[in-house]
Amino acid sequence: LAKTTQPISMDSYEGQEVNITCSHNNIATNDYITWYQQFPSQGPRFIIQGYKTKVTNEVASLFIPADRKSSTLSLPRVSLSDTAVYYCLVGDKQNRDDKIIFGKGTRLHILP
Amino acid sequence: EAQVTQNPRYLITVTGKKLTVTCSQNMNHEYMSWYRQDPGLGLRQIYYSMNVEVTDKGDVPEGYKVSRKEKRNFPLILESPSPNQTSLYFCASSRTGRGYTFGSGTRLTVV
Repeated sequence: LAKTTQPISMDSYEGQEVNITCSHNNIATNDYITWYQQFPSQGPRFIIQGYKTKVTNEVASLFIPADRKSSTLSLPRVSLSDTAVYYCLVGDKQNRDDKIIFGKGTRLHILP
Repeated sequence: EAQVTQNPRYLITVTGKKLTVTCSQNMNHEYMSWYRQDPGLGLRQIYYSMNVEVTDKGDVPEGYKVSRKEKRNFPLILESPSPNQTSLYFCASSRTGRGYTFGSGTRLTVV
């Protein structure tokens, strides 16, 4: 099971691009990288998932280098409403040997 | 609307009184999971299910039971709740087992 390391917290300003990097040195061949966003007292919300290179959707981009030992979530032009905790998860399908585990996440605070 | 529905949203109960938190998803997902979230401890998995009649323990299963008799429902049962089970609970479901859709949460207080 690949462990992930993320910054505990980050601050940024409205309108800026925010990049949150996650380290996962022991990622396995079948593992995917998934990011979630969570607001206080709400369930985590799936943001983006990728296996290699770059993935982009309407809310974020995910950059994964060739060695896949890290990944970067990129949030373009953030607003105050992007203040939340962001979790990076690494794993394949949920099973007895590969449980989906949330770490402590990164607390992103967007300032006006 | 595709969603995971948990009930109730809030519950206050007394020690030892059996309770069930229901979870239902309308996306025909095979995978379902229960988490609890506590300050400083993050999200911890209680139980998960990979399909009907297939369930397994997560990291903190003690004091909880689950069942998966049909694909859409995955209730969490506390046979004899104790104060240390006071927490915020989330149910989640997934089609592939990789990306999950979470419910809105159930805040449980056991006194």
